[in-house]
Amino acid sequence: ILNVEQSPQSLHVQEGDSTNFTCSFPSSNFYALHWYRWETAKSPEALFVMTLNGDEKKKGRISATLNTKEGYSYLYIKGSQPEDSATYLCAFTDTDKLIFGTGTRLQVFP
Amino acid sequence: ETGVTQSPTHLIKTRGQQVTLRCSSQSGHNTVSWYQQALGQGPQFIFQYYREEENGRGNFPPRFSGLQFPNYSSELNVNALELDDSALYLCASSLGRGQGSYGYTFGSGTRLTVV
Repeated sequence: ILNVEQSPQSLHVQEGDSTNFTCSFPSSNFYALHWYRWETAKSPEALFVMTLNGDEKKKGRISATLNTKEGYSYLYIKGSQPEDSATYLCAFTDTDKLIFGTGTRLQVFP
Repeated sequence: ETGVTQSPTHLIKTRGQQVTLRCSSQSGHNTVSWYQQALGQGPQFIFQYYREEENGRGNFPPRFSGLQFPNYSSELNVNALELDDSALYLCASSLGRGQGSYGYTFGSGTRLTVV
């Protein structure tokens, strides 16, 4: 059974704090690792698709790294803002389907 | 460029009934995947359709079935509803049948409640 684990489950930070989350996934038969940002009552929004070991991607204040050999990815948010409050999901693919973790729920207080 | 649209947004059904959920894929996408998110869990893969053919299925019983139409829109049908089918159902479209390295565009889901 393929398992994707995310930590922490939830995180409360003050505006301006930087934060990071972890996604652990199986290191065999790896094709891609996806990160999504999901606000309540909205669609999950794609942040990054990462395919190569050592990949680093950046989008504004959000960045991600990938280590396929040891099976983990980190998502970083620099200078968190209240609008960053959301659930951050990672998903691993070995074929055509996404295998999701349970997400990290981030709440940023003003 | 239109996104993924799902209908209805909310639905209440009685145990034993049948339900059909609908999904319009993003313009230019030819692949649709369906996911079920139960409370406290990550989304679970139900199945995927590529050019009207099923292209992979998760660990769901046969009473979960689907269709993809020539315009690449899709339906998810669930027969003989059970209480445990209560969940958020997400549809995602993508381009091509690649090994998951393409981006997926998600709809905002259909919340199904079975009573």
